[in-house]
Amino acid sequence: GNSVTQMEGPVTLSEEAFLTINCTYTATGYPSLFWYVQYPGEGLQLLLKATKADDKGSNKGFEATYRKETTSFHLEKGSVQVSDSAVYFCALIRPGAGSYQLTFGKGTKLSVIP
Amino acid sequence: DGGITQSPKYLFRKEGQNVTLSCEQNLNHDAMYWYRQDPGQGLRLIYYSQIVNDFQKGDIAEGYSVSREKKESFPLTVTSAQKNPTAFYLCASSVSEGYTFGSGTRLTVV
Repeated sequence: GNSVTQMEGPVTLSEEAFLTINCTYTATGYPSLFWYVQYPGEGLQLLLKATKADDKGSNKGFEATYRKETTSFHLEKGSVQVSDSAVYFCALIRPGAGSYQLTFGKGTKLSVIP
Repeated sequence: DGGITQSPKYLFRKEGQNVTLSCEQNLNHDAMYWYRQDPGQGLRLIYYSQIVNDFQKGDIAEGYSVSREKKESFPLTVTSAQKNPTAFYLCASSVSEGYTFGSGTRLTVV
C-alpha cells in the first residue's frame, strides 16, 4: 500500500537558520506529492505540491523537489522565521478508481525561536 | 467566500454519550472526508464520501458513523463504542487533488 515517512520532530531552529524536513514515500505508479502546513489550533493548508518526477514545488520561500529515483520529497527553506512555527505534513495521492485519497506522514513540528 | 465550516470548535461530552460533529461546505465539492488527529500519529482517515448518499469506511471507522444526505453536509457521529474518542477531528472536501480543510473540532470526553 501507499505510505509516507517523514522525519520525526520536534525540530527547533533559530530564526534565519536553514530548514530541511525529510520525506520519503512508498507507492506504485506515479503519485502526486504534497506538503501541508498546520498552524496551532487550525486546519491544514496546502503549502506546495509536485505532480511528476523532477518537478519543484515552491511557495513562501519553501521548496521541495520530486525525486523518483530516491522516492523523496524533502522540504527546504533557506531562512526560517518565527511565523514558520507549525506542524508540517508530507502527503501523497495515488489516483485510482476515481478516488483521490490523501495518505499523510505523521507530521513534523517546527519551532523557530528568535 | 467559499470554504468548510466545522462546529463547534470545542466539544465536551461525558463518557458513554454519542456526539455529532458538524461539517458544512459551500465549495460544491463532491468528495468529503473525516480525519482524526492525535499527537505524533498524523491524520488518519475515518470515513469518506465521493457522492451524496454514498460513503466508505476509512482506516479507523470503528466506533464512528456518518451520513451524506446533502452535498454540502457530512456530519460525523462519535458513538459510545469508540474506545478513545478524545482527539482533534478534521473535515475536508476535495475536487480532484485539490483539498480544502476545515479548522477542526477538538472533542474531549470526560
